[in-house]
Amino acid sequence: GDSVTQMEGPVTLSEEAFLTINCTYTATGYPSLFWYVQYPGEGLQLLLKATKADDKGSNKGFEATYRKETTSFHLEKGSVQVSDSAVYFCALSGEGFKTIFGAGTRLFVKA
Amino acid sequence: ETGVTQSPTHLIKTRGQQVTLRCSSQSGHNTVSWYQQALGQGPQFIFQYYREEENGRGNFPPRFSGLQFPNYSSELNVNALELDDSALYLCASPSGSYNEQFFGPGTRLTVL
Repeated sequence: GDSVTQMEGPVTLSEEAFLTINCTYTATGYPSLFWYVQYPGEGLQLLLKATKADDKGSNKGFEATYRKETTSFHLEKGSVQVSDSAVYFCALSGEGFKTIFGAGTRLFVKA
Repeated sequence: ETGVTQSPTHLIKTRGQQVTLRCSSQSGHNTVSWYQQALGQGPQFIFQYYREEENGRGNFPPRFSGLQFPNYSSELNVNALELDDSALYLCASPSGSYNEQFFGPGTRLTVL
């Protein structure tokens, strides 16, 4: 069945460092890919999405490119802030709105 | 805004009891999904309701059941609670195209 694998955390960075969180997926068909973020004590929020191969999703300085040839959707940000500290989930969704999530990667950003 | 609300925020039950969690969506969409998020894990798909009928289920036993009502509200019922049912339960409703979902804040269930 469909699945998502993302790098284990926690990831600890200093403010203004470059962030990469790796995500790979296994799916039949052509799923949509997402990154969700969960801030402490809050629910899931959609961070960005890509719906077809080579699409780049972007939001709040974060970017991810849908790479069909490597079945990847890595999350990147050029300069992280303390406020980016959260748990990040890579996810995919095919037909019918069922969403499959990775295990999540916790990010700590130090001032 | 396609807001999704859930109640209660927190709940404590003992093993063997039954629990009902509630969800309400302002989206007007006739699809609602429920997810279980255990501590330190990603959300796991429980089931989805479409036009008041179950329309897909994840790897959860029958003691997890649901209802969807004509006003787009929904319930998740769990019978014979087990300790491993302790988790954050999330309700989600479509918020746009391309299978994008809007999640509610969740209900934190603790089973003692």
